[in-house]
Amino acid sequence: GENVEQHPSTLSVQEGDSAVIKCTYSDSASNYFPWYKQELGKGPQLIIDIRSNVGEKKDQRIAVTLNKTAKHFSLHITETQPEDSAVYFCAAPSGGYQKVTFGTGTKLQVIP
Amino acid sequence: DTGVSQDPRHKITKRGQNVTFRCDPISEHNRLYWYRQTLGQGPEFLTYFQNEAQLEKSRLLSDRFSAERPKGSFSTLEIQRTEQGDSAMYLCASSFGTAEQFFGPGTRLTVL
Repeated sequence: GENVEQHPSTLSVQEGDSAVIKCTYSDSASNYFPWYKQELGKGPQLIIDIRSNVGEKKDQRIAVTLNKTAKHFSLHITETQPEDSAVYFCAAPSGGYQKVTFGTGTKLQVIP
Repeated sequence: DTGVSQDPRHKITKRGQNVTFRCDPISEHNRLYWYRQTLGQGPEFLTYFQNEAQLEKSRLLSDRFSAERPKGSFSTLEIQRTEQGDSAMYLCASSFGTAEQFFGPGTRLTVL
């Protein structure tokens, strides 16, 4: 099955700085990589995803990069704001999209 | 609100009691997933349905757990003879086919 590793587990940045979260996966057949943001007491919310036919995708202040050869993908948040503070999870599909394997999460704290 | 809803949001029970949770997916979504999330961890896959058929169950889903989706719409997850180790957040997600999964707010279970 898929194994997803995520680093760092915690990340503190000053407001306005950039934050980068990195993940690796094991199943070379995986071709869809979503990122979720989870705020306290809420379910995970999809914020961006990338498919294996592209190497980078941007949506305003967030971007995701994918290196299929190295089997790693990263989330980049620029111009961080206090409301970006949350736990972020990377994920990769298992069993042909039947389920999703999540990383262990990164707690991001943006300091005003 | 047309998102995924879950009920109840919180459940406190005594060890040995049975509990049942409900999930209402996004109306046009044919797939429904159950995940369990413990503190500081990412969600772990439990089971999923395509329409009313339960197609996969994780090894995490012991004999005390049962899930149904009788009419291919809402789903229930029942835990019999609850144990303290069952304390967790139970998350439901839905998707249309293999598209991205949208999560509900979760049901937090505390077993005393």
